[in-house]
Amino acid sequence: DQQVKQNSPSLSVQEGRISILNCDYTNSMFDYFLWYKKYPAEGPTFLISISSIKDKNEDGRFTVFLNKSAKHLSLHIVPSQPGDSAVYFCAEPNNAGNMLTFGGGTRLMVKP
Amino acid sequence: DAGVIQSPRHEVTEMGQEVTLRCKPISGHDYLFWYRQTMMRGLELLIYFNNNVPIDDSGMPEDRFSAKMPNASFSTLKIQPSEPRDSAVYFCASSFSSNYGYTFGSGTRLTVV
Repeated sequence: DQQVKQNSPSLSVQEGRISILNCDYTNSMFDYFLWYKKYPAEGPTFLISISSIKDKNEDGRFTVFLNKSAKHLSLHIVPSQPGDSAVYFCAEPNNAGNMLTFGGGTRLMVKP
Repeated sequence: DAGVIQSPRHEVTEMGQEVTLRCKPISGHDYLFWYRQTMMRGLELLIYFNNNVPIDDSGMPEDRFSAKMPNASFSTLKIQPSEPRDSAVYFCASSFSSNYGYTFGSGTRLTVV
């Protein structure tokens, strides 16, 4: 069965510090993962992705790391800002590659 | 482009009533997805369409749920009869071909009392 799991429902971080959000997966056909960010009363928006040809992808303050042997990926935000406070979902394509399966989400709170 | 447009933004209805949620995808996108967000289950896929054809509806919880896409610019998700456990935020998303950067609508918050 294909699944992505986010075991931490919430995370609180001080402004300026690093936020680390984690995601574990069981099986992956494509070794391709995405992170989405969701503000209250809005739909999720695509943030960053990573594929198996890399173990790291960086976009400004956001970096995603992929550890295939551990079946684990993480999203690092540094430095964290209050505007980063949101729910973050990891996601992966299903085996057919035509839809995304999302984790349960982690609510990040960045305190000023 | 105005993005994916969902209506209504909020819906409060009584148990047993029919509820219809609407979605207008981004023009040119050939995939449309209906997701539901709950505290317990996170974001779960209900059904998706490719070129207006339903491809996978295995996530639809019960026969009370149905979805249609009569044309490329419109889709509906209907619940009949509605129950309190259907209360959730329902999202519509669209994408072009195999692009996984879905564009989500702002969602419809459904409350069934």
